[in-house]
Amino acid sequence: DAEITQSPRHKITETGRQVTLACHQTWNHNNMFWYRQDLGHGLRLIHYSYGVHDTNKGEVSDGYSVSRSNTEDLPLTLESAASSQTSVYFCATSGGYEQYFGPGTRLTVT
Amino acid sequence: EDQVTQSPEALRLQEGESSSLNCSYTVSGLRGLFWYRQDPGKGPEFLFTLYSAGEEKEKERLKATLTKKESFLHITAPKPEDSATYLCAVRMDSNYQLIWGAGTKLIIKP
Repeated sequence: DAEITQSPRHKITETGRQVTLACHQTWNHNNMFWYRQDLGHGLRLIHYSYGVHDTNKGEVSDGYSVSRSNTEDLPLTLESAASSQTSVYFCATSGGYEQYFGPGTRLTVT
Repeated sequence: EDQVTQSPEALRLQEGESSSLNCSYTVSGLRGLFWYRQDPGKGPEFLFTLYSAGEEKEKERLKATLTKKESFLHITAPKPEDSATYLCAVRMDSNYQLIWGAGTKLIIKP
């Protein structure tokens, strides 16, 4: 069965460190998305990609970057982690309309 | 401004007590309205897509309906296992991005 996986599931890091969250999908979908979810804000789009070598900024992209070198993976990098980036991060994939989500990564920045 | 508003924020029901969750939207060029279920510590799980006013979709005890300004998720004779946060999202004309509501937390007491 097709799936979308995220790793690590939990991560604690220190302020100022670079962190990369992995997202891997076997749906063979072109569209991939990164969200963060915080109490009181719901899901907010960080970055998205419509295909290999395509990346776009979402509404809360400052301090984050992505790269898309193949169809299956869209890693999210926090260049210099800040306490405001403590959150739960979800990756999603879409072949058209509905999006399918991974299990999430809980990131704590101390 | 394009936005999605869900109400109520939280809803507590007794097992078997039917009710409805609301998702109202102000977007131009609606291309689809989506309902998701999210359990604690997990990613959102896709439930339904509605495309046009008057459309209805059903799955077990859930029925989603759509008008030109809002969608309802009707829950008939709910069970404790229906307890979750229900999220609504809309897609507009021009791209694959979704605009998300903040969710309704549903608690079904036995």
